[in-house]
Amino acid sequence: DAKTTQPNSMESNEEEPVHLPCNHSTISGTDYIHWYRQLPSQGPEYVIHGLTSNVNNRMASLAIAEDRKSSTLILHRATLRDAAVYYCISHPGAGSYQLTFGKGTKLSVIP
Amino acid sequence: EAQVTQNPRYLITVTGKKLTVTCSQNMNHEYMSWYRQDPGLGLRQIYYSMNVEVTDKGDVPEGYKVSRKEKRNFPLILESPSPNQTSLYFCASSSIGTIQETQYFGPGTRLLVL
Repeated sequence: DAKTTQPNSMESNEEEPVHLPCNHSTISGTDYIHWYRQLPSQGPEYVIHGLTSNVNNRMASLAIAEDRKSSTLILHRATLRDAAVYYCISHPGAGSYQLTFGKGTKLSVIP
Repeated sequence: EAQVTQNPRYLITVTGKKLTVTCSQNMNHEYMSWYRQDPGLGLRQIYYSMNVEVTDKGDVPEGYKVSRKEKRNFPLILESPSPNQTSLYFCASSSIGTIQETQYFGPGTRLLVL
């Protein structure tokens, strides 16, 4: 799996947008980019994933750079409940189901 | 409600006393796995199973056993626990068949081995 690099921590004010960056410069052409988050005292939960195009779902948006060497998870309006560790994971396609978690970005949301 | 359950949620034991942590999912998923989470080391995979009676080692399998006799259950067995197995354990599951299936994680089991 390609190595991903994320900032250790970020802060955001409540109700403001948050942009969480991830670098994956060694990603292969068929690797997907997954984002999971881990709320305090809980297991990781899926947020979003994509390959080349930008993706949106009810939780977040994922913007993938044209060269695929970086991506950004966008939370449109941060709430206190979004305070968590966010993991960006580069994941190969079919046949592999192991998720390789890095250290992630700890997001703090300020009321 | 789709979920992965783990029991117990908290466990304190002593070195050498065999224990089992159960994991069950109600989504008819083929794939199940176990991770441990330690400060500074993140989540690391212990064992995984692609289906009933099919299991394989992850990155840190030493000191652990698993079995997959039924599709919904994937217990983690520590035959002779040691203090270095003190950790937070997570079970996960997903379906197989289409690329990039979402993985669902259980709530975690916090284990302390004295």
